[in-house]
Amino acid sequence: GDSVTQTEGPVTVSESESLIINCTYSATSIAYPNLFWYVRYPGEGLQLLLKVITAGQKGSSRGFEATYNKETTSFHLQKASVQESDSAVYYCALGAQGTGSKLSFGKGAKLTVSP
Amino acid sequence: NAGVIQTPRHKVTGKGQEATLWCEPISGHSAVFWYRQTIVQGLEFLTYFRNQAPIDDSGMPKERFSAQMPNQSHSTLKIQSTQPQDSAVYLCASSWGGGNTLYFGEGSRLIVV
Repeated sequence: GDSVTQTEGPVTVSESESLIINCTYSATSIAYPNLFWYVRYPGEGLQLLLKVITAGQKGSSRGFEATYNKETTSFHLQKASVQESDSAVYYCALGAQGTGSKLSFGKGAKLTVSP
Repeated sequence: NAGVIQTPRHKVTGKGQEATLWCEPISGHSAVFWYRQTIVQGLEFLTYFRNQAPIDDSGMPKERFSAQMPNQSHSTLKIQSTQPQDSAVYLCASSWGGGNTLYFGEGSRLIVV
C-alpha cells in the first residue's frame, strides 16, 4: 500500500542550528504522488507547511525547504537556521494528484528548539 | 473565513456508551475527511465524503463506527458501544473540489473510561 516513513520524534536542536527531518514514501497505487509537510504548533491545529506536486521540484515556506526526489522516493524537510518558534510536530504526507483525495501521513516528528 | 469547526473539543464517555462527533467544513469545500490520531498508530485515515457522498471508508472499523454527511455544512462520526481502545483525537478536514490540500480542525479528544 501507500505509506510514509519519517524521522520520529523527539528531535532537539539548538537555536540557529540546521535541521533535517527525513521522509521517504512508497506510492504503490498512486501514479503521480503529491508530497506534503504539515505542522502542528503548540495549541493549534494541523496546518499545511508546504506541498510539491512535481518530481524534481522544491517547495519552501517559513524558511523550510523540501525537494521531491523520485529516484530516492524521499522528501526530506530542511532548514538552515531554526528558531525557537519552529518548535512543533512535523508530519510528512503523501497523496494522489487530483480531486479531494485522502492523504497518508507519517507518524510525526516533535521538534524542540532550545534557546 | 472560519476554519474547520469540530465539536465537542473534549468528550469523556463511559465504556459501552455512544459518542457522536461533529464537523463543520470550510464553506465551499466539497470534500470532508475523518482521521483518528493516537500515539501508537499516528494519523489514520477513516473515511471521506465528496459532495456529501461517501467515497472511501476503507479505514473505518467495520463495527460500531459510522459517518454521515447529511448536508454540505456538517458531517458526523458516530461510535457505538465505545471501548477504551477508541480513545483518540478525531480530526476532521476539508478540501475544495479541485485540490488535495486538507484543512484540519483542531480535533475532538475522546476518552473512554
